Amino acid sequence: KQEVTQIPAALSVPEGENLVLNCSFTDSAIYNLQWFRQDPGKGLTSLLLIQSSQREQTSGRLNASLDKSSGRSTLYIAASQPGDSATYLCAVPGSSNTGKLIFGQGTTLQVKP
Amino acid sequence: DAGVIQSPRHEVTEMGQEVTLRCKPISGHNSLFWYRQTMMRGLELLIYFNNNVPIDDSGMPEDRFSAKMPNASFSTLKIQPSEPRDSAVYFCASSRDRGNTIYFGEGSWLTVV
Repeated sequence: KQEVTQIPAALSVPEGENLVLNCSFTDSAIYNLQWFRQDPGKGLTSLLLIQSSQREQTSGRLNASLDKSSGRSTLYIAASQPGDSATYLCAVPGSSNTGKLIFGQGTTLQVKP
Repeated sequence: DAGVIQSPRHEVTEMGQEVTLRCKPISGHNSLFWYRQTMMRGLELLIYFNNNVPIDDSGMPEDRFSAKMPNASFSTLKIQPSEPRDSAVYFCASSRDRGNTIYFGEGSWLTVV
């Protein structure tokens, strides 16, 4: 059974700092991995989708890496800003790529001005 | 595109009442998902449709929950009768196909008193 874990559960950093969020999964036979952002009272916004054949994806100040063999992904945020404050969740498909996503519990990030 | 549209955004109802949540997926998307989010359990997939057909409903908690997708542009999630433990945020999401980026609605915030 696929399980997704995110560490840390919460993180507080000063503005401008570079930071790394971690995601690990128990079954390395995944088709892809997605990182989402959730603001309080809002839905989830997809940030990056990494296919199993890729090692990383970049979007602006965000860079996500994927190491299937070790069951890990990281989300790197460069030059953090107060507007980056949100909960970040990673998710992988369940078995057989049926479309079911298994989510981690998320990392709640606070960037202080 | 307007994105995934859910209604109502907020609902407070009394225990025993029927609750109907509605979703309009993004046009052209053929996969639709209903998720539930709580503090205790995080995000859980309730049911997944592909081309209007339910593919995986293993997450539906019990017979009080039912979901339909009569056409490609509309889905409902019904709870009858509702109970206080059903209080949660219910998200609808859609994607163009399995393995692609999933787009979430803003959620329906349900409180059963």
